[in-house]
Amino acid sequence: KAGVTQTPRYLIKTRGQQVTLSCSPISGHRSVSWYQQTPGQGLQFLFEYFSETQRNKGNFPGRFSGRQFSNSRSEMNVSTLELGDSALYLCASSLSREGTEAFFGQGTRLTVV
Amino acid sequence: AQSVTQLDSHVSVSEGTPVLLRCNYSSSYSPSLFWYVQHPNKGLQLLLKYTSAATLVKGINGFEAEFKKSETSFHLTKPSAHMSDAAEYFCVVSEGVGGGYQKVTFGTGTKLQVIP
Repeated sequence: KAGVTQTPRYLIKTRGQQVTLSCSPISGHRSVSWYQQTPGQGLQFLFEYFSETQRNKGNFPGRFSGRQFSNSRSEMNVSTLELGDSALYLCASSLSREGTEAFFGQGTRLTVV
Repeated sequence: AQSVTQLDSHVSVSEGTPVLLRCNYSSSYSPSLFWYVQHPNKGLQLLLKYTSAATLVKGINGFEAEFKKSETSFHLTKPSAHMSDAAEYFCVVSEGVGGGYQKVTFGTGTKLQVIP
């Protein structure tokens, strides 16, 4: 079956702009989690959506938001971009049942200039 | 509350020598534990997982991990490192949050360098 698909793969934006990233989970998976990965901070949890509801949230400012649609596809939005938002954004999809693993997409590489 | 600690941010080994990546966890209940690997500019891939079956878990690419409840550890090992093992490794703990669902926490990662 198809894996986790993240679009776009690469993105260059200017400071102050906003950006929307998309994640299509594996069919049947209802949980989508987002992570930010940078060389300095490592892998940091942004938020998790399950059945269109935000279930968990990491320690990020309100400029970072997300949503999940009825088909489990998820979008992440970052407004008023800052240089420090440059990162690899990873999406993980899972059944979220106990003991089940997450499957990751290739990520979206966001560069803010 | 659950947490996971990867004791080394960087590990360097020579090709052909054993690999040990250390992970300790804290969990209120019986956790599930995972190791993921990330090669440069790639997404994360599952190496292996423990879900209360055998305490010694074998994964892909010759890696294995042993769940030690008394030590709250889940260290990742491989008898002989290969150049292709150079990557970042993440230890992950999850526990049930009711209704059969789980909450997942990632460690901060260990970068493995393999020296030829």
